Amino acid sequence: ILNVEQSPQSLHVQEGDSTNFTCSFPSSNFYALHWYRWETAKSPEALFVMTLNGDEKKKGRISATLNTKEGYSYLYIKGSQPEDSATYLCAFIGAVNYGQNFVFGPGTRLSVLP
Amino acid sequence: DVKVTQSSRYLVKRTGEKVFLECVQDMDHENMFWYRQDPGLGLRLIYFSYDVKMKEKGDIPEGYSVSREKKERFSLILESASTNQTSMYLCASSLRQSYNEQFFGPGTRLTVL
Repeated sequence: ILNVEQSPQSLHVQEGDSTNFTCSFPSSNFYALHWYRWETAKSPEALFVMTLNGDEKKKGRISATLNTKEGYSYLYIKGSQPEDSATYLCAFIGAVNYGQNFVFGPGTRLSVLP
Repeated sequence: DVKVTQSSRYLVKRTGEKVFLECVQDMDHENMFWYRQDPGLGLRLIYFSYDVKMKEKGDIPEGYSVSREKKERFSLILESASTNQTSMYLCASSLRQSYNEQFFGPGTRLTVL
């Protein structure tokens, strides 16, 4: 089974702070990487779909980068707000033999304190 | 507005019971997935289906089976529920290509006593 890791496991920041966290994945057989935000009592929602090495995606105050050669992706949140409090999941999608399987990381739980 | 629905938000069953979890999507998606989520382990894939009557095992299929008789519906079956199947179960769907984002249902929290 593929190993997808996320760090840190949890994070507490003050409102207005900027923060970032990491998703590490196998550098071989890469096909795509997804970031999801999962708020308490809601369903996970996709933030970004990343497929190319060097990809940078942005949605409002949230952005992500991708390095497929070394097997990591960073998620950045600029000026965190309480509504950003959620668990952020990355999902690795492998090519060829891995078919359509998704392998999720364990998530980073972010708490933004007002 | 895209929608994935699951039959129950909370379910309590006894050991040995047969349990059905239903998932319906209204987006005409080819792919459907069942995951379970346990603390510290993230989402783990149980089964997925890429077409009607087609199914593939995920990482943890033991103790589960699935059924996809119609494109919009994907059922997860616990033939004989056990306490170690107490978990949060999430269904998701996506368009055929695997790089497409998945859309998730609200989850079913199953407790097996």
